[in-house]
Amino acid sequence: EAGVTQSPTHLIKTRGQQATLRCSPISGHTSVYWYQQALGLGLQFLLWYDEGEERNRGNFPPRFSGRQFPNYSSELNVNALELEDSALYLCASSLGLAGHSLITDTQYFGPGTRLTVL
Amino acid sequence: GENVEQHPSTLSVQEGDSAVIKCTYSDSASNYFPWYKQELGKRPQLIIDIRSNVGEKKDQRIAVTLNKTAKHFSLHITETQPEDSAVYFCAASKSEEFSGGYNKLIFGAGTRLAVHP
Repeated sequence: EAGVTQSPTHLIKTRGQQATLRCSPISGHTSVYWYQQALGLGLQFLLWYDEGEERNRGNFPPRFSGRQFPNYSSELNVNALELEDSALYLCASSLGLAGHSLITDTQYFGPGTRLTVL
Repeated sequence: GENVEQHPSTLSVQEGDSAVIKCTYSDSASNYFPWYKQELGKRPQLIIDIRSNVGEKKDQRIAVTLNKTAKHFSLHITETQPEDSAVYFCAASKSEEFSGGYNKLIFGAGTRLAVHP
């Protein structure tokens, strides 16, 4: 079974530009999560999508946005890039809301996209 | 707000010794507690998790304990090996039907474990 995949592996942008990061979940998973891991820091929750809708977002400015497509893949967009946006962006997937009880689903992570803002 | 504190930030042990990492969470509604291992340049990998209806779970050399009253949980690694060297993250989340808390993992800052041969 293929795991969570992300593209690109590395992305270099300059301040003020926009970045687009992509994620494909594990087959059968409908939930996709985005996390930011700045150098030497822990993982900070960014966004959660399920069944094409944004379900929750973390404490990040509106220039961090995204969407989920009908095939459950997802895109994270970061507008007006700032130097402090440089980080590893990790995507995770889980079984999601459809047909599930209140039990929290295990999240499986992709390899990440390393974004460098110059 | 929601917060998870993790200690120690670094841990150095000799091969064969045990390692213990502790986490404390702030939201008493949290009911799911996974542990992830992240090797240098790689993705976080789930190594064990525990739900709030149990107090302890073991998987070979790894065990996790949960104290809901004190709002803390711990990772125990016995007979450590050099390949256990990595950064370990604890996390907490809660299930609320279709509300903002569902499935959002709050991570600790991580513990860098070094196992010396």
